[in-house]
Amino acid sequence: RKEVEQDPGPFNVPEGATVAFNCTYSNSASQSFFWYRQDCRKEPKLLMSVYSSGNEDGRFTAQLNRASQYISLLIRDSKLSDSATYLCVVNIPQAGTALIFGKGTTLSVSS
Amino acid sequence: DAGVIQSPRHEVTEMGQEVTLRCKPISGHDYLFWYRQTMMRGLELLIYFNNNVPIDDSGMPEDRFSAKMPNASFSTLKIQPSEPRDSAVYFCASSFGFSSYNEQFFGPGTRLTVL
Repeated sequence: RKEVEQDPGPFNVPEGATVAFNCTYSNSASQSFFWYRQDCRKEPKLLMSVYSSGNEDGRFTAQLNRASQYISLLIRDSKLSDSATYLCVVNIPQAGTALIFGKGTTLSVSS
Repeated sequence: DAGVIQSPRHEVTEMGQEVTLRCKPISGHDYLFWYRQTMMRGLELLIYFNNNVPIDDSGMPEDRFSAKMPNASFSTLKIQPSEPRDSAVYFCASSFGFSSYNEQFFGPGTRLTVL
């Protein structure tokens, strides 16, 4: 089983749509969770951290289910500028600040 | 403030040649990470340093790969000899502090092509 698994997509949605991405992780001892965003041929950048109680940042909502080892990202009212690859990221429990990245889910928003 | 700086941005070399990738982390950051990204394997952690000391190099694919951090503002990743399967984008990232919730800031990457 891969350590962080994501549906690669692509997800093709119209502007204004709501889209959800899911991710599962294998190490139950992981404590830190993130979504990073990577634009085409660019470096990854932190989109948001994911906390146990769930958290929201504008149009973006992240949820964590520790029991199922499942993380989700919901994007409401999609914009053209949301087109990117979204990487699910968890920490390596025995390695402090080191992270494991999923392969990413590609989102394409069209007008 | 300048972000993480990597050079070169693009490198094309022939199989068997030595390749050296360079990274300057964000000033004040005490963690530095080297990653490799390919379509097949995604973004993989190769090695990371804390206060210039290598902490975990278990992701380094083989002995042809080596990394150094002689001071807080400079790190290199060397491949010798290079092979076509080393073709990938190599990212350097830095962060501050031990907490795994601390954001990692990535450089623009070096796109390596080995012919």
